[in-house]
Amino acid sequence: AQSVTQPDIHITVSEGASLELRCNYSYGATPYLFWYVQSPGQGLQLLLKYFSGDTLVQGIKGFEAEFKRSQSSFNLRKPSVHWSDAAEYFCAVANQAGTALIFGKGTTLSVSS
Amino acid sequence: DAGVIQSPRHEVTEMGQEVTLRCKPISGHNSLFWYRQTMMRGLELLIYFNNNVPIDDSGMPEDRFSAKMPNASFSTLKIQPSEPRDSAVYFCASTKSGGQDTQYFGPGTRLTVL
Repeated sequence: AQSVTQPDIHITVSEGASLELRCNYSYGATPYLFWYVQSPGQGLQLLLKYFSGDTLVQGIKGFEAEFKRSQSSFNLRKPSVHWSDAAEYFCAVANQAGTALIFGKGTTLSVSS
Repeated sequence: DAGVIQSPRHEVTEMGQEVTLRCKPISGHNSLFWYRQTMMRGLELLIYFNNNVPIDDSGMPEDRFSAKMPNASFSTLKIQPSEPRDSAVYFCASTKSGGQDTQYFGPGTRLTVL
C-alpha cells in the first residue's frame, strides 16, 4: 500500500537560513507527488507537484523539491527562510487508483529571528 | 474566482446531535473530496465524489457518517449521532478531474462535540 513518511515532526530554522523538509514515499509505480502548506486556521495550499519530467520542481514562494527515485524521496527546499514561512507542511502522493491523495503526518516549521 | 467554500467554519454541538457540514466546490471542478484532520491520525480521506457520484467511501468511519452530492455545486457531510471522538477539522477539496489533479482545499470546519 502507498504511504508517505515525514520523519521530522517539528523543525526550527533561523530566518534567512536554508530549509530542507524530508519526505519519503512508498509506491510501486511512478508517483504523483505533492507538497502542501497549511497556515494556522487555514486550509491547505499547493506549493508544488511532480508528475514526470525534470526531477527538480519549482513551486510558489521560492520553494523547490527534488524527486529521487532511487531514494524514494521528494524533499522540499528553500534557500532562505522568511518568518512568514512558519506553517505546517504536508507531503502527499496520489494513490494508485488515482482517487485521492495520501498525506504524511506533516512537519511543523518554526522560524526564529 | 472563489475558492472552495465551507460552512460553518466552527461548529460546537453536544453528543448525540446531528451535524451537517457543507461544501461548495470550485465551479467547473468535477471531483470533490472530504477529509478529516486530527492530531492523532493526521489528514484522512473520508469520501471522494466524481461527477456527483461517490467513487470511494472506504474512509467513512461508520454508519453515523453520510455524504451526499446532489449537484455539481454542493455537497454535505452529515454525522448522526455525533460523538466526542468526531471532534476534528473537516476539509473539503475539489479538483478539475480526479484524485491525481491539484486539489484545492476549503478553509475547513472545526467541529467540537461535547
